Amino acid sequence: AQRVTQPEKLLSVFKGAPVELKCNYSYSGSPELFWYVQYSRQRLQLLLRHISRESIKGFTADLNKGETSFHLKKPFAQEEDSAMYYCALSPPGSARQLTFGSGTQLTVLP
Amino acid sequence: KAGVTQTPRYLIKTRGQQVTLSCSPISGHRSVSWYQQTPGQGLQFLFEYFSETQRNKGNFPGRFSGRQFSNSRSEMNVSTLELGDSALYLCASSLWVNGPEAFFGQGTRLTVV
Repeated sequence: AQRVTQPEKLLSVFKGAPVELKCNYSYSGSPELFWYVQYSRQRLQLLLRHISRESIKGFTADLNKGETSFHLKKPFAQEEDSAMYYCALSPPGSARQLTFGSGTQLTVLP
Repeated sequence: KAGVTQTPRYLIKTRGQQVTLSCSPISGHRSVSWYQQTPGQGLQFLFEYFSETQRNKGNFPGRFSGRQFSNSRSEMNVSTLELGDSALYLCASSLWVNGPEAFFGQGTRLTVV
């Protein structure tokens, strides 16, 4: 069965410090992997998609197929990065049937 | 362009009643998916519709159903409401083929009393 695990429910870092949000997954095959973010009182929105290999708002995520991980990283956290972050997977070629992790609430302290 | 619109934003129903939630996708998007978000279970996939047909369904009882209209708007229905159905129901729309992302609505907060 497919599953996404985010081991940290809460994560606090100081402004300017590096941040890493962990995500591990299990899936039979090669899924699409995503990071979604939800800022306070805003709707859930896509942050990163592994296939695009982009850096968005300074965040990057590397897919490690051997470890089945898709950790989200940023070298210097900003206060505006405080939000709930969800790792998610879907069948290849789509973003239509997402399996989400339980989310990590990131707080960046001043 | 307008985002995904869900109505109503808030609902209070009593046990045993039924409820219908509505979702209007982004113009041009033909796939609509529904998710249930609860503190205990997190975000869970309910079902997906494309071209008025249910394509995929999550692990939810038959009390949860949905449909999609020819203009891609979708509704989901929950019959015989239980207290545990209290949740935020999210709708997401995307392109069908190689859709780069799912765009989410703000959700409908359902409270069952």
